[in-house]
Amino acid sequence: AQKVTQAQTEISVVEKEDVTLDCVYETRDTTYYLFWYKQPPSGELVFLIRRNSFDEQNEISGRYSWNFQKSTSSFNFTITASQVVDSAVYFCALSDWGGSNYKLTFGKGTLLTVNP
Amino acid sequence: NAGVTQTPKFRILKIGQSMTLQCTQDMNHNYMYWYRQDPGMGLKLIYYSVGAGITDKGEVPNGYNVSRSTTEDFPLRLELAAPSQTSVYFCASSRQDAGSYEQYFGPGTRLTVT
Repeated sequence: AQKVTQAQTEISVVEKEDVTLDCVYETRDTTYYLFWYKQPPSGELVFLIRRNSFDEQNEISGRYSWNFQKSTSSFNFTITASQVVDSAVYFCALSDWGGSNYKLTFGKGTLLTVNP
Repeated sequence: NAGVTQTPKFRILKIGQSMTLQCTQDMNHNYMYWYRQDPGMGLKLIYYSVGAGITDKGEVPNGYNVSRSTTEDFPLRLELAAPSQTSVYFCASSRQDAGSYEQYFGPGTRLTVT
């Protein structure tokens, strides 16, 4: 069965620090997809990135970067020069074939607090 | 586009009451989903639909029912509310199956059962 582990329950940093959020996943499938979502204090869920299992290239989007390593089943998320607006709960999610449809499994989330 | 909208935003129910959580999307997405989010537990899938007239159970379907008569709407029905159903409920939609495409979420409904 698929599983997503976000071992860091809470992280607190000071503004401008770099921070990495860890995500480790388990799946038996060779084809799967990984996602990161952001949930700010207002409560909505915002899509950040999707990565498929065949594409191990790292991705950078502004201050955000993602490191996908199949060898360690990890899909880590780094925020460079963090800002107060980055304070949120961040969820990593895995989608793989459940027999009749793709099923999305979420980790429990990491609460990031960026202090001024 | 409004995206995914949910009503109501907040609701308090007494044990044993019933209610329907409404969800509408205007992106012409075939796939729609209902999740519940409990504190510190991430999101768990309740039901999903791959198109009008087709629904299926997710991870935690007990105590809930859904219907999908149109592409746009995917209401979630709670029968005989119980305190264990106190949670935040999110509706989501995606263009195709969850494997290939990201899901877009509504703002959530915070439900308290007392």
